[in-house]
Amino acid sequence: QVQLVQSGAEVKKPGASVKVSCKASGYTFTGYYMHWVRQAPGQGLEWMGWINPNSGGTNYAQKFQGWVTMTRDMSSSTAYMELSGLRSDDTAVYYCVRYHNAFDIWGQGTMVTVSS
Amino acid sequence: DIQTTQSPSTLSASVGDRVTIACRASQSISSWLAWYQQKPGKAPKLLIYRASSLESGVPSRFNGSGSGTEFTLTISSLQSDDFASYYCQQFNSYTFGQGTKLEIK
Repeated sequence: QVQLVQSGAEVKKPGASVKVSCKASGYTFTGYYMHWVRQAPGQGLEWMGWINPNSGGTNYAQKFQGWVTMTRDMSSSTAYMELSGLRSDDTAVYYCVRYHNAFDIWGQGTMVTVSS
Repeated sequence: DIQTTQSPSTLSASVGDRVTIACRASQSISSWLAWYQQKPGKAPKLLIYRASSLESGVPSRFNGSGSGTEFTLTISSLQSDDFASYYCQQFNSYTFGQGTKLEIK
């Protein structure tokens, strides 16, 4: 079936970087844009940006420009989101999401905890 | 960027009630709006896309309406499984509303 499977939880120190993976299966990876959304504990949903898996083109929310990088590996149908210069308020669940009409398929989420 | 304002932030209701959640965009977004349901510890689930199209597998008691800047999600007869948080999202700048927590009265 169509699914997105993300990498496991991470604990990072302030200033470090984190790279989250998202493996797609059950559909043509290059046929749909992949977005990333995060959710801090007890808070709402925040859109971070998208990557076109076919071309590698990206578009980042203004807030994240300069410190987020989205990439993909077509050979393994995997998208990646790397966030650098982590701060405590980057503690959140990070989701990859397929765009088809709307955000129709969500990964299970990856908890990233930033703590000294 | 277009702002997305959702109301109310909390809604208390009973099984069988009809409830409505509102979402307003700061500029016209035509019908480029979706609604999601999220339960604790789970990823959001798509309910409605393009303002009024029901996602496959979603019960017909969920109804979306509106266009331009004003949108609503209506649940016609609440079931116990519907108590969750709901978010709207506009697709001009992909921003989400603040969310509505639907609680049991």
